[in-house]
Amino acid sequence: AQSVTQPDARVTVSEGASLQLRCKYSYSGTPYLFWYVQYPRQGLQLLLKYYSGDPVVQGVNGFEAEFSKSNSSFHLRKASVHWSDSAVYFCVLSVFNYAQGLTFGLGTRVSVFP
Amino acid sequence: EAAVTQSPRNKVTVTGGNVTLSCRQTNSHNYMYWYRQDTGHGLRLIHYSYGAGNLQIGDVPDGYKATRTTQEDFFLLLELASPSQTSLYFCASSDATNYEQYFGPGTRLTVL
Repeated sequence: AQSVTQPDARVTVSEGASLQLRCKYSYSGTPYLFWYVQYPRQGLQLLLKYYSGDPVVQGVNGFEAEFSKSNSSFHLRKASVHWSDSAVYFCVLSVFNYAQGLTFGLGTRVSVFP
Repeated sequence: EAAVTQSPRNKVTVTGGNVTLSCRQTNSHNYMYWYRQDTGHGLRLIHYSYGAGNLQIGDVPDGYKATRTTQEDFFLLLELASPSQTSLYFCASSDATNYEQYFGPGTRLTVL
């Protein structure tokens, strides 16, 4: 069975600083990977996705992520965070079988301080 | 833009109560899902459906029934609610060619 690990439950960062959120996945086949964001009292919104090709994918609001097959990782980055980036970020794995739905990491809560 | 709506947004019931959570998507997606979100567990799949009249069991189905009445509407039923079912419930939809799922705003259920 597949799994997703986000090793950092909470991250605190100053406004304007860079941000990296770590994600490791476990799956023997070719993964489809996503980062979703959950703002307070809202549903989940897709930030970016990776299916194949260029390992660096661009998302919304200046976020990007880099896929590494050798490291089984899909880390999320942003060069300069804003207070509005405070949210919970989920790394998510999908496999080529809808019966599995999506496999979620536990999420990383990001707090941006002015 | 994908649109998934859920109702009610908040619900309080008592142990043993009967609860129905509703989800509607207006994207003509074939697939719909019900998840629950709990601290320490992330999101977990309860039930999902390929289309009207179809129901598939997810990872945490115990205590839940679901029914897909139309392509747009997917319902989650708790016939004998228990405090362990206190959670935040999300509905999502996706189409057959795109692996990303679109989520509703969630329903917060409290079982006293």
